[in-house]
Amino acid sequence: ETGVTQSPTHLIKTRGQQVTLRCSSQSGHNTVSWYQQALGQGPQFIFQYYREEENGRGNFPPRFSGLQFPNYSSELNVNALELDDSALYLCASSTQKGRNSPLHFGNGTRLTVT
Amino acid sequence: DQQVKQNSPSLSVQEGRISILNCDYTNSMFDYFLWYKKYPAEGPTFLISISSIKDKNEDGRFTVFLNKSAKHLSLHIVPSQPGDSAVYFCAARGGGGADGLTFGKGTHLIIQP
Repeated sequence: ETGVTQSPTHLIKTRGQQVTLRCSSQSGHNTVSWYQQALGQGPQFIFQYYREEENGRGNFPPRFSGLQFPNYSSELNVNALELDDSALYLCASSTQKGRNSPLHFGNGTRLTVT
Repeated sequence: DQQVKQNSPSLSVQEGRISILNCDYTNSMFDYFLWYKKYPAEGPTFLISISSIKDKNEDGRFTVFLNKSAKHLSLHIVPSQPGDSAVYFCAARGGGGADGLTFGKGTHLIIQP
């Protein structure tokens, strides 16, 4: 059983640019969510996708958007990058068999905005 | 406003002893609680969870206790081992729908030989 994989592991972008981060869900998982973890903080919920539709969102502006594909892989897109977007971006997958199923995280993408 | 609080940024425990990590929450709508462990350069790893209908859940060396009236949960690790040295995050979910997890800031557990 493969776990959650994310690419790239590290990325450096300039303020104002756009970035796409990618994630492959754990086998058998049909729900994917994305989190942002700033230095010294816990992960913060960005949004969640189920059956290719966004079905939950945290307190992030619309320039954070995503996609989920039929094979349950996912993308996180961030437009008009700001310096404060520098963080570790974590993808997590889970099953929808009952609400109380834990999330399984990938190792993250470290984004640096200069 | 932090809805999930881990008030101890770090905790040092001797190998073989019990480690107790604490977490407080403010949102009474939370109904599912989880603990994650994180090593540097890795993503959080799920450890154990508890539903609000229970007050205790045990898995091997790990036990989570939930006190709903105090809005407090704790993770007990016994006996503590060197490999337990990591950052531990408390997380909560609730309110219905496809809500995400709300995390605390984490506690860095250091197991000393």
